Amino acid sequence: KAGVTQTPRYLIKTRGQQVTLSCSPISGHRSVSWYQQTPGQGLQFLFEYFSETQRNKGNFPGRFSGRQFSNSRSEMNVSTLELGDSALYLCASSLSPGTSYEQYFGPGTRLTVT
Amino acid sequence: TQLLEQSPQFLSIQEGENLTVYCNSSSVFSSLQWYRQEPGEGPVLLVTVVTGGEVKKLKRLTFQFGDARKDSSLHITAAQPGDTGLYLCAGTDYKLSFGAGTTVTVRA
Repeated sequence: KAGVTQTPRYLIKTRGQQVTLSCSPISGHRSVSWYQQTPGQGLQFLFEYFSETQRNKGNFPGRFSGRQFSNSRSEMNVSTLELGDSALYLCASSLSPGTSYEQYFGPGTRLTVT
Repeated sequence: TQLLEQSPQFLSIQEGENLTVYCNSSSVFSSLQWYRQEPGEGPVLLVTVVTGGEVKKLKRLTFQFGDARKDSSLHITAAQPGDTGLYLCAGTDYKLSFGAGTTVTVRA
């Protein structure tokens, strides 16, 4: 069975621009979570979606948003990019929300903001 | 501020040696997970420990969960170059709360 796929894998943007990242979960998985990974802060939870609804949100500014479609695919958007947004953005899918079910991570999208 | 503190931050050993990575929490989590992440990939779950005092073995990897469920350790016996990677512990509640990770390098 195919794993979690994320597109694009690499992205370079300029400060002030916006960006959209995409995540396709494992077939049958209905929950998608997003994480930001940086050398300084490590892996931090952004938000979780289930059945097209945001269930939980981490401590990130409103510039970070996401959505989930009826086929469980998810996108996250970052507006007005800042240099500090440079990071590896990981999505993880699981059968159901929360952490009772194993989360499977994708390879991530490496975002560089210049 | 990280809820989970991992030590050491970096570890470089020779093939065949043993190593231990520690994870200490300021909070009690319902369970604790260990992941390994290789360059260019997302983290992969190694184990979930739930019960205080629990010990789980996965071939050459031994995981322990402290009695108070606030600390955990990962011990690798006879490390191999394939064990190289970033080892992350994560506490579980409604989300995963990760430690900063331990970068392990096993030299051939």
